[in-house]
Amino acid sequence: DARVTQTPRHKVTEMGQEVTMRCQPILGHNTVFWYRQTMMQGLELLAYFRNRAPLDDSGMPKDRFSAEMPDATLATLKIQPSEPRDSAVYFCASGPRAGTTLGYEQFFGPGTRLTVL
Amino acid sequence: GEDVEQSLFLSVREGDSSVINCTYTDSSSTYLYWYKQEPGAGLQLLTYIFSNMDMKQDQRLTVLLNKKDKHLSLRIADTQTGDSAIYFCAETFGNEKLTFGTGTRLTIIP
Repeated sequence: DARVTQTPRHKVTEMGQEVTMRCQPILGHNTVFWYRQTMMQGLELLAYFRNRAPLDDSGMPKDRFSAEMPDATLATLKIQPSEPRDSAVYFCASGPRAGTTLGYEQFFGPGTRLTVL
Repeated sequence: GEDVEQSLFLSVREGDSSVINCTYTDSSSTYLYWYKQEPGAGLQLLTYIFSNMDMKQDQRLTVLLNKKDKHLSLRIADTQTGDSAIYFCAETFGNEKLTFGTGTRLTIIP
């Protein structure tokens, strides 16, 4: 049963600390997305990759956030330094190559709930 | 701009039909989707409709698309307690990037 995995599921940290969230996309998917979900802002796209290359990171605060794909099986989202306003649930999603399935379906991971004190 | 709007809340009695509405502003969207998010979980695709279709039915789910009014709806027949969730509509314009709506929280009244 192929699924997107994310670690950690929960993270509590103090302001100023570095936070790294990891995602393993579904094997064979060539697009990876990072979203942030909060009550106030809803679901926001932070960045996405196609074939490991960043295509759009316009939703990401550049001064403290960075997203990378060291290889096809791992995507990372890093916040340094973290701030209380970064508290949210961060979702990773992956998608198959366009045209192979339902248009552009995205498969979501379970999320990382981040709390910055 | 790319704004997809939904009502925030909907309450429905168990056994009744639920209708969740969505309006979008970009008529060039190619696929429109409905995702479901259960508590503590990520979003899961429920159903989708291609922009040249008016209606799609899938078991208890019926999707209606009115391109003229840029209106999308999801009808859930015989609503059950397991249907309690947040429902998101989403659109794409021909690439992998989806624009999600604000989400509608569906509450089932016993």
